[in-house]
Amino acid sequence: EAGVAQSPRYKIIEKRQSVAFWCNPISGHATLYWYQQILGQGPKLLIQFQNNGVVDDSQLPKDRFSAERLKGVDSTLKIQPAKLEDSAVYLCASSFRETGGETQYFGPGTRLLVL
Amino acid sequence: KNQVEQSPQSLIILEGKNCTLQCNYTVSPFSNLRWYKQDTGRGPVSLTIMTFSENTKSNGRYTATLDADTKQSSLHITASQLSDSASYICVVTELNDYKLSFGAGTTVTVRA
Repeated sequence: EAGVAQSPRYKIIEKRQSVAFWCNPISGHATLYWYQQILGQGPKLLIQFQNNGVVDDSQLPKDRFSAERLKGVDSTLKIQPAKLEDSAVYLCASSFRETGGETQYFGPGTRLLVL
Repeated sequence: KNQVEQSPQSLIILEGKNCTLQCNYTVSPFSNLRWYKQDTGRGPVSLTIMTFSENTKSNGRYTATLDADTKQSSLHITASQLSDSASYICVVTELNDYKLSFGAGTTVTVRA
């Protein structure tokens, strides 16, 4: 079974530039999550999708971050404009259903450095 | 605010030795607790999951324990191997809305 795919793996940009990350979840997984993991910290949920609908985006900085999952499969996360504090690893995860018993499967992450 | 506190922040052990990682949480009501292993440059991978009624769960050389009364969990690594070098993250799920609370992780370094 293929895992969660993310691209790019690494990205370096200057502050105020824009950047987009892509995630392809495990086939058949209805729930998709985007997390931000700052060095030395645990992941922080940015947004959760159930199919193509948003379940939770309460911690998404909506003035600069946006995410979509138009067809309920792939998802993109965009930052515009980027700030220095956005430097982090952006993890995408998916699970079969949105329940507490479901294991989330994580992708390898995209490491973003904002200069 | 629900919190998950892990200790120690990091530790170094010699290959073949055992170690124990701690996780204290305030999440309530509680659904389940997971331990994830995150290798450098990779996403977290689930090691164990325990619900309220479970006290211990093993996965090979990894054994997790849970005391739901004191809201404490531990992850014991037996006969450590170099491949155990990673960050171990404790994740607690809230019962009602299934929100996850992540600990900051414990970085384990196993040296030959």
